[in-house]
Order: sequence, then C-alpha cells, then structure tokens
Amino acid sequence: DIQMTQSPSSRSAFVGDSVTITCRASQSVSIYLSWYQQKEGQAPKLLTYSASTLQSGVSSRFRGSGYGTEFTLTINNLQPEDFATYYCQQSYSIPNTFGQGTKLEIK
Amino acid sequence: QVQLQESGPGLVKPSETLSLNCDVSGHSISSNFFWGWIRHPPGKGLEWIGCVIHSGKTYYNPSLRSRVTISLDTSNNEFSLKVTSVTAADTAVYFCARQVIVGELPRHFDLWGRGTLVSVSS
Repeated sequence: DIQMTQSPSSRSAFVGDSVTITCRASQSVSIYLSWYQQKEGQAPKLLTYSASTLQSGVSSRFRGSGYGTEFTLTINNLQPEDFATYYCQQSYSIPNTFGQGTKLEIK
Repeated sequence: QVQLQESGPGLVKPSETLSLNCDVSGHSISSNFFWGWIRHPPGKGLEWIGCVIHSGKTYYNPSLRSRVTISLDTSNNEFSLKVTSVTAADTAVYFCARQVIVGELPRHFDLWGRGTLVSVSS
C-alpha cells in the first residue's frame, strides 16, 4: 500500500492568515492526489483533485499543487469556516489511501 | 440534487455481519461512476473499504477483502456493504460516496453521505 504522510498533524492560525499543509507519498502517485475538508460530525468535502484542479463550488482561496510524491494544499486568507481537519487521498493505486489528517485550529 | 444516505444497524455483535445500505437519490447508480465505502474509526484516519460499478466490477482494500462484499441494487437505486466476522476494530463511522472515474480507475470522491456510526459490542 502507498503510505500518505501529512504535516503538520495540527496547526493553529489567525483569521486572515495563509497556511500550507503538506502530503508526502511513499512512492509516486503521479497527479492522483485529492484534498478533503472535514468538520466535526460531517462528511468530508472534496476541495481539489488531480493535484491542482479546484472542485466546482469551492472557494479559490484553496489551492492544490504538486506531483509525484510531494503535494501541498494552501489556504489563503483563512476564514472562520476553514477551521477543520484536512485529509489527502491518493487514488493512483488500489487500495486508495488517506493521510492521517491535519487539524487546523483558530488562534 | 444528488444525495447519498446510509442506513443500517448502529450496533452489531462481535462475530456477526455488519450490513449497511446507501440510498442514492437524484442520480442513477447505473451511470459511469464507482460507488464506494469509506470508514473512520474513532481516533484514527480514514480507511478506503472498496467500490463497485454498474458492470459489477469491484475493487476492495486487500486488508478487508476476505470479509467485505459491496454490491448494487439497481432496482432500488442503492448499494450495500457487508462485513462479516466483525470485531471491535470494525467500530467506525461508515460513509458511502460516489467515486469519479479517470483512466478507468476510481479516483476522487465528489459526493458523500453524512455517515453512520456502527459500534461492535456484545
């Protein structure tokens, strides 16, 4: 299985800040990397897929980038509704695997 | 508006079979998507269980393959998950979701159900 490692595991920031979350794969996943946002008690929400494609309806403050084994999710101008847990997912191979999550908290 | 809704028992006894359904409204499950299950054990990360497409083709997580069956019921526009011989380690919130196909393989999940908690306990 491809192991996905996210960093940091948690981060605190102010409203208005920009933050970057990193996801590293144990082997190349090409462009097949997606990012999700999950709030407590809710289903995950797709933010970006194919490394950098923004899902329809998602704010342009979210930006995904990367290729191969290293990917980032950048959130600009943090808003109160952005404080949540973020997960990366590789779908290059079966089984699909997720990172362990990054919890973003308000400072 | 496409919606997915999980249903099934919230409590299952050890060694028994966990059975969940996912009702899909607003979209035919005979369309060209995979329909999958993901679980979220308490205090742990998300785990992909597997998926199925209208042709009947399935993909499963090898760690669960021997105990898992995912199938479609096109007459009721729903799909299901069965996990046999459950233990406490199978306690989790279970999500059903639609998985987009790129290059003939299941990729990202663009629609999710709200999830249902299944506890395994005697």
